[in-house]
Amino acid sequence: EIVMTQSPATLSVSPGERATLSCRASQSISTNLAWYQQTPGQAPRLLISSATRAAGIPARFSGSGSGTEFTLTISSLQSEDFAVYYCQQYNDWPPSFGGGTKVEIK
Amino acid sequence: QVQVVQSGAEVKKPGASVKVSCKSSGYTFTSHGISWVRQAPGQGLEWMGWISTYNGNTNYAQKFQDRVTMTTDTSTSTAYMELRRLRSDDTAVYYCARDLMANWGFVDAFDIWGQGTMVTVS
Repeated sequence: EIVMTQSPATLSVSPGERATLSCRASQSISTNLAWYQQTPGQAPRLLISSATRAAGIPARFSGSGSGTEFTLTISSLQSEDFAVYYCQQYNDWPPSFGGGTKVEIK
Repeated sequence: QVQVVQSGAEVKKPGASVKVSCKSSGYTFTSHGISWVRQAPGQGLEWMGWISTYNGNTNYAQKFQDRVTMTTDTSTSTAYMELRRLRSDDTAVYYCARDLMANWGFVDAFDIWGQGTMVTVS
């Protein structure tokens, strides 16, 4: 099973600032990585798959990386972006999620 | 619009079984596989298994292999997840999630999620 590790666990950022979240895979997953956003009491929402934004996702969200190292960047944090973010690999069975990064208001 | 709607919250005794449903609408049900993902209170996301809505093939996480059964009813565009021999640590929100790609049949990202079903084992 591929283990996904996210860092940091918590990221404190001021509104309008840039946020950079990291995700590492225990083995190469090519570009088969997705990012999700989850706000309290809600289901996860797909943001990015294979570095491509999902429908309706604002351009301030971008994903990069390949192999084992990946980054989600939020260029200018808006109030609605304070949430928990998960990465997920879909290169091989079983699909696996990282432990999440909570982006909180500084 | 495309959506999936899950059944309501459940409270079960240890050792019992629970069956959660996930009804899809707004797209061709048999074109996208369905995964089930759970989230214990305050914890992260845990993939439980996947079912092909096209032919009923399944792929379960090893952890749940002997306790879970996933099925579909194509006549009603509904997927089901049954978990048996419930324990207190099965208390969680259970989500169904649609495969991103149509007619794929392999591991995928998930683009449409149900609202979640809280299952409490106590």
